[in-house]
Amino acid sequence: SQTIHQWPATLVQPVGSPLSLECTVEGTSNPNLYWYRQAAGRGLQLLFYSVGIGQISSEVPQNLSASRPQDRQFILSSKKLLLSDSGFYLCAWEGDSAITDTQYFGPGTRLTVL
Amino acid sequence: GDSVTQMEGPVTLSEEAFLTINCTYTATGYPSLFWYVQYPGEGLQLLLKATKADDKGSNKGFEATYRKETTSFHLEKGSVQVSDSAVYFCALSGSLSGAGSYQLTFGKGTKLSVIP
Repeated sequence: SQTIHQWPATLVQPVGSPLSLECTVEGTSNPNLYWYRQAAGRGLQLLFYSVGIGQISSEVPQNLSASRPQDRQFILSSKKLLLSDSGFYLCAWEGDSAITDTQYFGPGTRLTVL
Repeated sequence: GDSVTQMEGPVTLSEEAFLTINCTYTATGYPSLFWYVQYPGEGLQLLLKATKADDKGSNKGFEATYRKETTSFHLEKGSVQVSDSAVYFCALSGSLSGAGSYQLTFGKGTKLSVIP
């Protein structure tokens, strides 16, 4: 069965510091991968998606970037964090041929920028 | 563009009460519809889905019917338990730039608290 991992689970970072969040998926190949942010009181916002290695699409201009160095690995980064980057970051995968258009989420990373 | 509207929370119910969380949507085409549940401090879990009109999704005693004529996908459960306390999100899927990937458009979520 498929599983999705995210780490770290929680992170507290100072303003201006770099960021790297990692997401990996097991049990499937060539998944579509997604990064969402859930800010307090603001629902879920799609940040990036990827349909393959090295293919990244951004939905919202921002201080963040994403990369997909391997088929089942998706990384969210920032060179300099802002206070507004605080939130709960969720990675999701989708693409098993039997369940296309259904996304499955990881456990999330809680980021606090101070 | 696509949008999802959920009833505002929070919703507080006594154990064994009947639950309805309303969800309506606006979309082009025929999207799939979903309910996700988020327990405190956790990611989203898929609760149920429906892919076409009149489909009924069900799981763990929850159910929702895809009503195209009213563009609705209301979540119901006949008898809630304390363990059902969570935030519930309604969502629909739409194609992203024709790239074979899909965007989920979420409602803002409804927080449910069930008291003994």
